[in-house]
Amino acid sequence: GAVVSQHPSRVICKSGTSVKIECRSLDFQATTMFWYRQFPKQSLMLMATSNEGSKATYEQGVEKDKFLINHASLTLSTLTVTSAHPEDSSFYICSARAMGGGADTQYFGPGTRLTVL
Amino acid sequence: AQRVTQPEKLLSVFKGAPVELKCNYSYSGSPELFWYVQYSRQRLQLLLRHISRESIKGFTADLNKGETSFHLKKPFAQEEDSAMYYCALSGHNAGNMLTFGGGTRLMVKP
Repeated sequence: GAVVSQHPSRVICKSGTSVKIECRSLDFQATTMFWYRQFPKQSLMLMATSNEGSKATYEQGVEKDKFLINHASLTLSTLTVTSAHPEDSSFYICSARAMGGGADTQYFGPGTRLTVL
Repeated sequence: AQRVTQPEKLLSVFKGAPVELKCNYSYSGSPELFWYVQYSRQRLQLLLRHISRESIKGFTADLNKGETSFHLKKPFAQEEDSAMYYCALSGHNAGNMLTFGGGTRLMVKP
């Protein structure tokens, strides 16, 4: 089956530093990857949609300079949280949509828990 | 704009009891509706989709366009059904992106 991995699974960093999270589709090509943020006991909120080889599309209220997204290949997208602050602490989840697929071919990664001290 | 509402944050039932997790949506068009499940310490995974009209793990969901609902049902809950359940909507107007409801935590007690 389709598998999406995220690395790291957990990261703790100091305020002001930048953190990079990787999202990989392991056995399929994903032209589109999505980045979500999930606060404790809350739902997933879409942050941005990234298409391979083009700029990401950010949802309203998400700072593009704060959350840098790069989708350099059909199997890898990265989210960089720049100058992280404690309020950026959250669970970040990526998903990858198979080439030519609809919403139901969106496969989710296990998530990355970011804690900013 | 598309929106998904799950009115119950927590639903607690005894093993063997019927379960209904409510989901209502708003969308100007013909949406696709899904239920996702997240078991403890596992990733989000698709449970079922309305277009398939399938029963997965004993769960079914019927799209009611008149009531704009897509409630998830199971006649006899099992302890292993305990998880977070998310209703989600996808619309062609929004590039097939998923919009999630707030989620309902189902607890099945022995």
